[in-house]
Order: sequence, then structure tokens, then C-alpha cells
Amino acid sequence: KAGVTQTPRYLIKTRGQQVTLSCSPISGHRSVSWYQQTPGQGLQFLFEYFSETQRNKGNFPGRFSGRQFSNSRSEMNVSTLELGDSALYLCASKVNTEAFFGQGTRLTVV
Amino acid sequence: GENVEQHPSTLSVQEGDSAVIKCTYSDSASNYFPWYKQELGKRPQLIIDIRSNVGEKKDQRIAVTLNKTAKHFSLHITETQPEDSAVYFCAAFLSGGYQKVTFGIGTKLQVIP
Repeated sequence: KAGVTQTPRYLIKTRGQQVTLSCSPISGHRSVSWYQQTPGQGLQFLFEYFSETQRNKGNFPGRFSGRQFSNSRSEMNVSTLELGDSALYLCASKVNTEAFFGQGTRLTVV
Repeated sequence: GENVEQHPSTLSVQEGDSAVIKCTYSDSASNYFPWYKQELGKRPQLIIDIRSNVGEKKDQRIAVTLNKTAKHFSLHITETQPEDSAVYFCAAFLSGGYQKVTFGIGTKLQVIP
């Protein structure tokens, strides 16, 4: 069974631009969560989608948004990028309680 | 909301010694506590978990204990090996009508050969 796939793996953007990240969950998993990982802040929860509906949301500004499609694939969008948005963005798909993480997208904002 | 505190943030041990990482949580309704290991450049992977109706769980050299009264849980690694070097994250999970996971900040464990 294929694991969680995130694309792209690396991304460099300029301040003010917007970016879209993609996550394909494990087949059959309907829950997809997004996390921001930085050295000083650990894993911070962004939001969770389940059956195309946002089920939970973390404490991030409205510049961070997401959506989920009928095939459970999810996208995360960050608008008006700031230098502080540079991080590893991880998605995880879940069935029941165990979360399976993707390799992440390393976003660098310059 | 839930708040998970994890310490220490870094831990160095000699190969063969034990390592202990501790986490506390704030929401007494949390009922599932997984631990994830993230090796350098790799994705976090579940290594062990415990549910609120259990006080201790072991898997070879790894064990997790849970004290619901004190709202803290700990990861114990015995006979540490260099391949145990990684960042370890604890998490508190609230399941029910909706599910929410809060992660600790992570502990960087270095096992010195």
C-alpha cells in the first residue's frame, strides 16, 4: 500500500507570493491533517479535513487555508508569504487513531 | 484547548544507558497518547502508544507509562543504541465527536557511542 505522498518536496518562494502544497493520503484514509514544523516550535497543528470538510483548525492566521477533494487528496494554500512561513510542512492521513506522515514539503521564503 | 509540554528538549546519553522523556497534558479528556520518532531528514513515525485505560505498555526496549491523575506520560528507552538518535514527539489525542491531536515540542535524543 502506498504511503502518504506530498508534493513538491522542496519549494522556494518570494515574500508576498502564494503557494499551494499537495497531499495524497493512504488509500482508504479519509482524514488528512496538516502540520508546520520548525526547529523552535516543534509540530504545530494547522487543520484537519475529513470527507471534504474542515473538522479542526489550529491557531494560524487566515493566510493559511486548505481543502480536501472527493478522493481525499488535500491541498494547503498560504497566501502573502512571510519569511517566518519558512518551515517543513507535513501532512498526515489517519484512520482511527494512528497518523501516518508524509515526507513533507520544505518551504523556503526569501 | 489542550496543551502538551515535553521535556527535556535535548538529551544526550551514553550507548547502553536509559533515556526518559516526559510529557504533561492539560485536558483530562485526552484519552490516547502516541509517541513518534523522527530521524534526521525523515518523516515522523509512530513507535508506541498508550490509551487512557492502561498504565504501562512495553515493546522490546521501549516502554510508555501514563499517570492519568497527574496528567503525565513518559517514554522510556532502555539499552540505548546509536540508531535511537532522533527527535521524539509525544502527543495527546482527544477522540470523540471529533478528534484533535496536540504534539509536544519534541526531544532531540543523542546516543553517544
